Parts: sequence; C-alpha cells; structure tokens
Amino acid sequence: DTAVSQTPKYLVTQMGNDKSIKCEQNLGHDTMYWYKQDSKKFLKIMFSYNNKELIINETVPNRFSPKSPDKAHLNLHINSLELGDSAVYFCASSLLTEVGEAFFGQGTRLTVV
Amino acid sequence: GDSVTQMEGPVTLSEEAFLTINCTYTATGYPSLFWYVQYPGEGLQLLLKATKADDKGSNKGFEATYRKETTSFHLEKGSVQVSDSAVYFCALKRGSQGNLIFGKGTKLSVKP
Repeated sequence: DTAVSQTPKYLVTQMGNDKSIKCEQNLGHDTMYWYKQDSKKFLKIMFSYNNKELIINETVPNRFSPKSPDKAHLNLHINSLELGDSAVYFCASSLLTEVGEAFFGQGTRLTVV
Repeated sequence: GDSVTQMEGPVTLSEEAFLTINCTYTATGYPSLFWYVQYPGEGLQLLLKATKADDKGSNKGFEATYRKETTSFHLEKGSVQVSDSAVYFCALKRGSQGNLIFGKGTKLSVKP
C-alpha cells in the first residue's frame, strides 16, 4: 500500500495550458506539503496545509494554487504554464510535530514545451 | 533564517571505501535533523534522523550524530556499496510549521 501517492508521474504540456497534480496520503498525517525540485536537484517548500488550512505559502507565483479537500488530499493546480515551471514536484506528508519525519511521493516530472 | 549547508558533490568512491558527507546547519532553537536519500528516478526516502543533541541516527550501515556544539550532522558509512549510489540530502525540520529545509544535495557514485 503506497503511503503517499501522487499522479501523474510524468506530465508534458504546452506553454499556456492549465494542469493539476493530485496527491493522497494514507498515513493519517495532519500536514501535507508541496516541494519543488529544480534541475540542480535543489528542493524548496512551496505550500503546506495542516488539517485543510494553509500554513505555508512561500514566494510562489499566483498561477500556482493548492487545494486540500480533506486532510488526506492535497492537489496542486497550475495556470498558464511557463517554461520555467518545468521541474519535479514532490508531495509529502507528516505530523505537525518537531520530530515527525516526512514521507514523500514519487514525484511528478513536469515538462513545459 | 534557518539553513542547511551540505558538502558539494559529486563524490565518487570505490566499493568498500569510507564515506563522509558533511552537513552543518543554522537554526533558532534545536531542530530535528534528517538525512534523506534519492535514488535515480525515485522520490525521497528517509535514511535516518536525530531529534536532540548527541542523538545518533543509524540505518543500513549509515550513521550521523547530532552535534549541537558544532551545529553539524555529518553522514558516515564505513564501507559503501554500488547500490548506495544516489543523491543524499541533509535537512532540518522547522518545528513551528513542520516543513523541511534542505541542503543542496550530494551526489554519490560508487564504482565497483
């Protein structure tokens, strides 16, 4: 049973399109995250939700909008895709405690052409 | 703000060599510290963690000790294998918001 699953694994799309990435966790965690990994492998937090409430919203263009319908799901919608959005996007979940480790999905490799 | 500085790679070793990847951090308070590993084409997996000073995390032959006095959490393994080839990330957890702050990653290649 996959702990954190995100779909799709690969996404190739044209500039200007709108796309969504879905994430689900079955670990009973109360907090979910989106991270972006750039071409140099650098990982940076984008958003975080705790019990469906947004708690982290880093400096990310407004074209990115997270949605959490319940605490087991966190989706990422991206409007008007740009070439610079090409990256690997990771979903993760954890308990909002100082010691709880995060579990990551397999990643979505987004390529904007 | 909080940050993690990690030894730049890539690191290339022969099988059975000793591995050290240096990691230091800057943070207010005493964050939990983690090492994650990313195998080619995969997501991140937790390798080990330490939640307070002098704790030693260990897993699969890898070890790291939380050193408050030097704000370090260096990763070590006595004898690497080809299967250890991956990118290794040091990270700290911000207690108030729960997100991880990562180092830039160190790519390890182990040759037979």
